[in-house]
Amino acid sequence: NAGVMQNPRHLVRRRGQEARLRCSPMKGHSHVYWYRQLPEEGLKFMVYLQKENIIDESGMPKERFSAEFPKEGPSILRIQQVVRGDSAAYFCASSPRDMPYEQYFGPGTRLTVT
Amino acid sequence: DAKTTQPPSMDCAEGRAANLPCNHSTISGNEYVYWYRQIHSQGPQYIIHGLKNNETNEMASLIITEDRKSSTLILPHATLRDTAVYYCIVRVGEYGNKLVFGAGTILRVKS
Repeated sequence: NAGVMQNPRHLVRRRGQEARLRCSPMKGHSHVYWYRQLPEEGLKFMVYLQKENIIDESGMPKERFSAEFPKEGPSILRIQQVVRGDSAAYFCASSPRDMPYEQYFGPGTRLTVT
Repeated sequence: DAKTTQPPSMDCAEGRAANLPCNHSTISGNEYVYWYRQIHSQGPQYIIHGLKNNETNEMASLIITEDRKSSTLILPHATLRDTAVYYCIVRVGEYGNKLVFGAGTILRVKS
């Protein structure tokens, strides 16, 4: 059973470009979460999604950030017009519907904005 | 939210038991205690969780006090690969699913 997959593992973008981060949850998991870890800081919740629904986006910055989890395909975290402060590790996690607190994390995408 | 307090760091000798404490004096009756760890630069890893009974799995044991105001994660035979930041979490979000990570405890296992 493959774990949570994230790609790319490393992403370099220039200021003003768009970044798209992908997450494929574990097989059978219908809940997806995105967390961000800034350099030398702790993990911060961003958004919680189920298929075609955003359940909790209380941790998402108000502008430039969006997330989706379509009926088919991976979850996407999209950052428009990236700035240097967006440089961080972005982790995706998934959980089964009946055990929402047992979240299984992917290896992360390390975004560097130059 | 139930706030947790953990020591910032701990050392443990390889092969010995590592006992990581967590205080959660404001925990409410329906909140679980969860433990995760993050090995350097990797994604966090779920370890164990419990409500009021002690729990054990292949990775660790969780001891929760009778009043539920504190708990201890026990790694019975720590190895160098257990060096990580350990997070104790009792918070549940409005929808019951988001994890709120504190600063955690840096556990250093030394040979």
